[in-house]
Amino acid sequence: AQSVAQPEDQVNVAEGNPLTVKCTYSVSGNPYLFWYVQYPNRGLQFLLKYITGDNLVKGSYGFEAEFNKSQTSFHLKKPSALVSDSALYFCAVREPLDGNTPLVFGKGTRLSVIA
Amino acid sequence: DSGVTQTPKHLITATGQRVTLRCSPRSGDLSVYWYQQSLDQGLQFLIQYYNGEERAKGNILERFSAQQFPDLHSELNLSSLELGDSALYFCASSLLGTRNEKLFFGSGTQLSVL
Repeated sequence: AQSVAQPEDQVNVAEGNPLTVKCTYSVSGNPYLFWYVQYPNRGLQFLLKYITGDNLVKGSYGFEAEFNKSQTSFHLKKPSALVSDSALYFCAVREPLDGNTPLVFGKGTRLSVIA
Repeated sequence: DSGVTQTPKHLITATGQRVTLRCSPRSGDLSVYWYQQSLDQGLQFLIQYYNGEERAKGNILERFSAQQFPDLHSELNLSSLELGDSALYFCASSLLGTRNEKLFFGSGTQLSVL
């Protein structure tokens, strides 16, 4: 069964500095990978996804993620953090070979960007 | 605004009771998903429907049931409630329910069981 791990519960970064939120996954075969963000009192919002092709995926709000098959990772990055990026970030994976497997989420990483 | 509507936003009830959570998907979306978010378990998949039919089932308790109606709205029924059922319940929708689609989430229903 597929799974995803976000090793850091909390990431703190100063405004203007680059940020990285880590994610590793486990699936059989090539994964479908997603990042979502949750702002306070809101539902999750889609940021970006990797299905196939270029390992560097660009998404909303200046975020990007790099798919690394050998390290089974899909880290979320942004070159310059904003205070408004402070939120809860979820990595998610889906098994591509079985049509009925759900989107499985990590436990989330809380990002705090300090002015 | 994601276009997914969940009602009610907050629900406070007692142990042993039964509640119904409602979800209206984005216009045109055929697939609905239910997730439970709690502090210790994170975001857990409960169940998925596509055009009225159950498509996938996750860690959904037998005390919980769901359905999707002909107008595509969905309801999640939680019965014999326990303290541990207190959580944020999200509904999400997508157009076709395929593996590479992004999901659109509602704002959730916060359930408190006292």
